[in-house]
Amino acid sequence: EIVLTQSPGTLSLSPGERATLSCRASQSVSSRYLAWYQQKPGQAPRLLIYATSSRATGIPDRFSGSGSGTDFTLTISRLEPEDFAVYYCQQGGTFGQGTKLEIK
Amino acid sequence: QVQLVQSGAEVRKPGASVKVSCKASGYTFTNYGISWVRQAPGQGLEWMGWSSTKNGKTNYAQKFQGRVTMTTDTSTSTAYMELRSLRSDDTAVYYCARDIVVMVYADNWFDPWGQGTLVTVSS
Repeated sequence: EIVLTQSPGTLSLSPGERATLSCRASQSVSSRYLAWYQQKPGQAPRLLIYATSSRATGIPDRFSGSGSGTDFTLTISRLEPEDFAVYYCQQGGTFGQGTKLEIK
Repeated sequence: QVQLVQSGAEVRKPGASVKVSCKASGYTFTNYGISWVRQAPGQGLEWMGWSSTKNGKTNYAQKFQGRVTMTTDTSTSTAYMELRSLRSDDTAVYYCARDIVVMVYADNWFDPWGQGTLVTVSS
């Protein structure tokens, strides 16, 4: 079973800064099926990125995904106040443990 | 718009069962599968399983094998998840999500998600 490890656990940044979130798989995974989700308190998760680098419908272009093999990255180019949330990566039936992006 | 609307919160005693529904609208129900994901209070996301809306096939996470049943009703575009022999650590928000996989379970992603159903297990 694949294990996805996200880092850091918590990331403290200010609006306007760049955020880089990491997701590392315990074995090589298909980049066709690596996805990222955003979850705000009291809300359901929302798909941001699928197939490693494709933005879901309605997702702003400040969100981008990259990676291959075992290392994947979600980048938010310039943080907006509404971007502070928890982010999860997912491959198949496995989710990472999440990265909390908080306001510094 | 594409939408999944789940049934309301439930409270059950240990050992009981719960059945959560998920009604889809805004798309052709049988063109996508349905996955179920749960989230215990303050914890991360845990995938429970997938069901096909076309052929009745299912794929359950090993942890829930024997205790969960996922079904779909194409006449009402509704998916169901039943969890039996409930324990206190089953207390969680349960989400349904549209799954890109429809015929045979394979790697996937989920979009959109239902609003969640809180299931509380307490004596």
